[in-house]
Amino acid sequence: EADIYQTPRYLVIGTGKKITLECSQTMGHDKMYWYQQDPGMELHLIHYSYGVNSTEKGDLSSESTVSRIRTEHFPLTLESARPSHTSQYLCASTTGEGGYNEQFFGPGTRLTVL
Amino acid sequence: AQKVTQAQTEISVVEKEDVTLDCVYETRDTTYYLFWYKQPPSGELVFLIRRNSFDEQNEISGRYSWNFQKSTSSFNFTITASQVVDSAVYFCAPSHPGRRALTFGSGTRLQVQP
Repeated sequence: EADIYQTPRYLVIGTGKKITLECSQTMGHDKMYWYQQDPGMELHLIHYSYGVNSTEKGDLSSESTVSRIRTEHFPLTLESARPSHTSQYLCASTTGEGGYNEQFFGPGTRLTVL
Repeated sequence: AQKVTQAQTEISVVEKEDVTLDCVYETRDTTYYLFWYKQPPSGELVFLIRRNSFDEQNEISGRYSWNFQKSTSSFNFTITASQVVDSAVYFCAPSHPGRRALTFGSGTRLQVQP
C-alpha cells in the first residue's frame, strides 16, 4: 500500500475563505503532484514538484499555489476560495526517471465551495 | 501531438461476465509507457499495470489481462468473470521518457451488477 496521505478528505467552505489542502508521503519520493479531477472524471495536472524548493505549474491553469519546504510535504493553498474551485484534488508522488515509474495517489480531498 | 481516447464512458455488466475496456493512444513517439489505474468509489487511484511501447507481449494477472497492439495504438484491458468489487472508474494514462507527469484518458466507469 502507498503511504501518501491527504487531509481533509471532505471540505465544505464559504466563498472567500483561505484554505490549505495537506498532502504528505512517507516514501521519500522526490517528485510530487497535484491533480484536479472534474465531475466528469478527467484528471488534470495543476502543480508539480521535482524536489524541495522546486515547484512548477501544471497543464491546467489554477489559482492555487503550492510549496515544497520538506520532501514529504506538499500543501496546496487557495487564498480566496470560489465556487469554481469546487472539485476533487488528488495528490501523488513518485521517484526515479520521469515518466517511467508509477505514481502513488492519496485518497483525495473533495472540496465544495458554497 | 498525442491523444489518448477511452471511447467507452460507462459499461454495465452482470457479475461473472467478461468485460473489455478500450484505450487508444495516438503518438508519433516510438518510446512511451502506458499505465492503467483503477479508481474505486473511495476515490484513490490504484496502479494496475505499466507497459512499454516496445513490449507487445500480452500480460495476464489473475482475472486481469492486457492486450497491447502498437500497430493499432490500442491498449485494452479485459476483466474475466467480473465481480461487484471490480466496479470502479478505470483510467488509461500514457507517459513518455523524461515527462513530468501522466496524461489521463477520460476514464471508463464500470458497473458490475450482482
